[in-house]
Amino acid sequence: GAVVSQHPSWVICKSGTSVKIECRSLDFQATTMFWYRQFPKQSLMLMATSNEGSKATYEQGVEKDKFLINHASLTLSTLTVTSAHPEDSSFYICSASGRGLTGANVLTFGAGSRLTVL
Amino acid sequence: KQEVTQIPAALSVPEGENLVLNCSFTDSAIYNLQWFRQDPGKGLTSLLLIQSSQREQTSGRLNASLDKSSGRSTLYIAASQPGDSATYLCAPGTGNQFYFGTGTSLTVIP
Repeated sequence: GAVVSQHPSWVICKSGTSVKIECRSLDFQATTMFWYRQFPKQSLMLMATSNEGSKATYEQGVEKDKFLINHASLTLSTLTVTSAHPEDSSFYICSASGRGLTGANVLTFGAGSRLTVL
Repeated sequence: KQEVTQIPAALSVPEGENLVLNCSFTDSAIYNLQWFRQDPGKGLTSLLLIQSSQREQTSGRLNASLDKSSGRSTLYIAASQPGDSATYLCAPGTGNQFYFGTGTSLTVIP
């Protein structure tokens, strides 16, 4: 089945540094990727939607200069948390949609990346 | 903006019981609704996807219903097992974009 790989699965960084999280579709072309954030004991919140080759569309309240999203190819999207601060510590999950090998629409979630900013 | 509420927030049951998880959402203009399972510190596992034109979907011991007009969905788990212990998330969607509830944390006691 369709698989989405997210890397790294966890990362610890110092305040002020930037962190990049990758989301790859392994066996299908992901025309659209979604990035979610989940704070402890809270629901997942959609941060942004990105279509391959286009600028990402951010949800209200999400700083686009803070959370840089790049979707340069049909198999890779990246989320860069710039100048990370402790309040950015969260669980980040991507999902990818596109057409699988059989031609059917697929939507698959990554396993998530836990970011801890010291 | 879509608001999703899940009741109860937490549930603890003895093994073997049948149980119902409830989900309500404010915007009925959805294309589909998906139920997910999330284990602690892990990503999401899709359980059932119901299209807006459907009333229910079944997979093994799981049955999900959808009443789109009233903004409600339920997830029924039959003969619960300890391995069912997890957080269950309801997510109404507009195509491939989903909005999540805060989940129901389920504990099945052996």
